[in-house]
Amino acid sequence: DAMVIQNPRYQVTQFGKPVTLSCSQTLNHNVMYWYQQKSSQAPKLLFHYYDKDFNNEADTPDNFQSRRPNTSFCFLDIRSPGLGDAAMYLCATSSMDRTSYEQYFGPGTRLTVT
Amino acid sequence: GDSVTQMEGPVTLSEEAFLTINCTYTATGYPSLFWYVQYPGEGLQLLLKATKADDKGSNKGFEATYRKETTSFHLEKGSVQVSDSAVYFCAHGGSNYKLTFGKGTLLTVNP
Repeated sequence: DAMVIQNPRYQVTQFGKPVTLSCSQTLNHNVMYWYQQKSSQAPKLLFHYYDKDFNNEADTPDNFQSRRPNTSFCFLDIRSPGLGDAAMYLCATSSMDRTSYEQYFGPGTRLTVT
Repeated sequence: GDSVTQMEGPVTLSEEAFLTINCTYTATGYPSLFWYVQYPGEGLQLLLKATKADDKGSNKGFEATYRKETTSFHLEKGSVQVSDSAVYFCAHGGSNYKLTFGKGTLLTVNP
């Protein structure tokens, strides 16, 4: 089945130690998104790629970076994680060939910062 | 600006009860409307959608109708099950490739 895959599902990192989360998709969608979700809150968009064009949200901290080497893969890099960065990180995709703009989400990576 | 307002939770129901979760939106133009469901520890799953006024989205017994006149997209289910316990997010999306989410409503269904 076509899907959005996130690895790992659980990630533990130390305060200040760089960490990378990965996302891959078999949907061949041209838009990929990274969201941060904290407990009991709606997902918060960090940035998205339309093909190779990177679009950062105005309030996304510089500590968060992203790479999209090809259509299928997208990475979230947290350069110096703080305790406040502990959250669920969700990857999503969307095809701009559709008219309804729905997004398809992966299962998420739960990040713990110790 | 664009926004989505949905019923604050938590909502607690008994099995086989009727469910309504209210959702209203403000947006430029006529966005697509969505309900997403999130089970504990999982990502968001698209539950249903509607792309134009008077469309009814439906899936797994859930329904929602796109009401342009009241800018609403209320989620309903006639008989909830324990397995429907989850967080439900109303959202709208348009040509800027982004979704605007409501704050989410936690539903707990007791046997």
